[in-house]
Amino acid sequence: NAGVMQNPRHLVRRRGQEARLRCSPMKGHSHVYWYRQLPEEGLKFMVYLQKENIIDESGMPKERFSAEFPKEGPSILRIQQVVRGDSAAYFCASSFLKGRGSYEQYFGPGTRLTVT
Amino acid sequence: AQSVTQPDIHITVSEGASLELRCNYSYGATPYLFWYVQSPGQGLQLLLKYFSGDTLVQGIKGFEAEFKRSQSSFNLRKPSVHWSDAAEYFCAVGVGNNDMRFGAGTRLTVKP
Repeated sequence: NAGVMQNPRHLVRRRGQEARLRCSPMKGHSHVYWYRQLPEEGLKFMVYLQKENIIDESGMPKERFSAEFPKEGPSILRIQQVVRGDSAAYFCASSFLKGRGSYEQYFGPGTRLTVT
Repeated sequence: AQSVTQPDIHITVSEGASLELRCNYSYGATPYLFWYVQSPGQGLQLLLKYFSGDTLVQGIKGFEAEFKRSQSSFNLRKPSVHWSDAAEYFCAVGVGNNDMRFGAGTRLTVKP
């Protein structure tokens, strides 16, 4: 059973370009979470999605950031018109159950975004 | 609001010495608590978790943690540290809507 997969692992974008980060959850998992880790900081929650639904986006910046988890295919975190401050590691996690079991999140290896 | 505090940003211990990493949480209800480890350039790996029951929880790699409700703490311990334990350690609390809040992390350096 493959773990959580994220691609690309490294992404370089110039200021003003768009960044698309992909996350394929573990097989059977229907809950996906995105986190951002700035240098020398912990993980900050961004958004929680289930298939075709955004459940909690309280950690998402109000502008330029969006996320989706379609019925088919990976979850996508999209950052439009990137700025240098968006440079960070973006981690995806997945879980499979409601209730206490869903708190056990399995993390992907992350995508390291560098904005030049 | 729910929050997690890890008071120590960086800890250095000698190989073979004991280790304790501190974690304090703020949460209104019975917390679900976790410790994760992150090696450089890698994602997070779950070390252990506490949901209920026995307040002393055993995890992987020889780690354990103790939940103390009176102190709102969930400290991570290991009796004898190995050089391979050098990493970043994150404490987290499970909150509503099935997501988690993480502490800022403690970086562990192991001296030979």
